[in-house]
Amino acid sequence: DQQVKQNSPSLSVQEGRISILNCDYTNSMFDYFLWYKKYPAEGPTFLISISSIKDKNEDGRFTVFLNKSAKHLSLHIVPSQPGDSAVYFCAASSGNTGKLIFGQGTTLQVKP
Amino acid sequence: DVKVTQSSRYLVKRTGEKVFLECVQDMDHENMFWYRQDPGLGLRLIYFSYDVKMKEKGDIPEGYSVSREKKERFSLILESASTNQTSMYLCASSLALGWDEQYFGPGTRLTVT
Repeated sequence: DQQVKQNSPSLSVQEGRISILNCDYTNSMFDYFLWYKKYPAEGPTFLISISSIKDKNEDGRFTVFLNKSAKHLSLHIVPSQPGDSAVYFCAASSGNTGKLIFGQGTTLQVKP
Repeated sequence: DVKVTQSSRYLVKRTGEKVFLECVQDMDHENMFWYRQDPGLGLRLIYFSYDVKMKEKGDIPEGYSVSREKKERFSLILESASTNQTSMYLCASSLALGWDEQYFGPGTRLTVT
C-alpha cells in the first residue's frame, strides 16, 4: 500500500515558467513532509520541508504548500531553470515511527 | 558539510554470493538508514539504526541484514544475493528521527547475475 503517491512520473516545463510537482498521502498521522531532489548518479539532497502545523513554506524559488484536508502537498518552483532538471521525491514522516516514507518520484525537465 | 560515503559505486555479483555494502558518515549522526531505489517505486526503507548495535526493520527487510558496530559505519548484508535484489542502494544518516533531514550517499548500483 503506497502511503505517499506522486502520480505524475514526469513533467516538462519551459525555462522561466512555474513547475508544480504534486504529492498525495493517505496516512493522517504524518506530521512532517520533505522534498528531495536527485540528479543522476548522485544521492538525493534535501530541498525543503513543512510541518503539518503550517500550510506554506518558502525558500527562495521553492515553495511547498500543504493541504491537510485533501492530504495533498505541492512543490512550486518559480522561475524554473534548466539546472532544476532532476527527479523530485516527496517524503512524509510521523513522530511516532521516525521513518520517512517516500513517493515514487517525478522527473522534471526544464527546457531552455 | 555532512559527508556520507558508500564503499562502491558499482558492484556486480553472482546469485548466491554474500554481499556487503558499507556506508560511513562523518557527522556523528545517531541515525543511519539503508534504502533501495527502483523505477516506479521510489525509495523504500530496508533497515535503519538509531544507535550503535541497534537496528529496526524497515518496509522491505526480507533477504537483508545489517550491522552497526561503530557509530559512523552501517553495513548492509545480502546473505545470498538474488536477481531481484538488483537495484540502486542508498545509505543515509540523520541527527534525529522523523523531522530531521536525511543526508544521502551517492548510491551503489548492484547488479546480481
